[in-house]
Amino acid sequence: DADVTQTPRNRITKTGKRIMLECSQTKGHDRMYWYRQDPGLGLRLIYYSFDVKDINKGEISDGYSVSRQAQAKFSLSLESAIPNQTALYFCATSVAGGPETQYFGPGTRLLVL
Amino acid sequence: DQQVKQNSPSLSVQEGRISILNCDYTNSMFDYFLWYKKYPAEGPTFLISISSIKDKNEDGRFTVFLNKSAKHLSLHIVPSQPGDSAVYFCAASAQTGANNLFFGTGTRLTVIP
Repeated sequence: DADVTQTPRNRITKTGKRIMLECSQTKGHDRMYWYRQDPGLGLRLIYYSFDVKDINKGEISDGYSVSRQAQAKFSLSLESAIPNQTALYFCATSVAGGPETQYFGPGTRLLVL
Repeated sequence: DQQVKQNSPSLSVQEGRISILNCDYTNSMFDYFLWYKKYPAEGPTFLISISSIKDKNEDGRFTVFLNKSAKHLSLHIVPSQPGDSAVYFCAASAQTGANNLFFGTGTRLTVIP
């Protein structure tokens, strides 16, 4: 079984719709992250959470919000989707303290029409 | 501004030969560096890392070299195998502060049988 799971794996939505991407992990890690990947731009950090009560904005948080429902769950919401949010979204986890090695989920491919 | 750069979008190598993937960074505060490997329809998977106190780290066929004065690191794969064909991302972090990872744009490696 995968340690970091993401649902859905693929999603097509329309401009203006609200959608939620979900991430769950069984690694027992405290830290969780949301990234997006666009062609030619690598992975860029949207939000990160160091524990349930700690949420922080990343490099490109505008248009997104997150919720850390439990240590194992971290959701990303697009309140009103727009076409330039079409991308591949990854959730990641890491253990607190020490060098930062992150472990990634399989990704959610989102298309906003 | 991209703090971690991978200037070669793609690389083709014959099976059995050496693959060398390069990465440059601009932030002198970075002190931990990682390489991730990504297959299509999967999330990035951790491959190998190096701390700034070292200039080389080896794990089987994979070796990472760090040149701090040049702000440059490279990943060597010897011998290259067809299963190594993937996109490789370089990432860096600073152990102070939020400890977030900054990713390069990736290099697509194709190993030709």
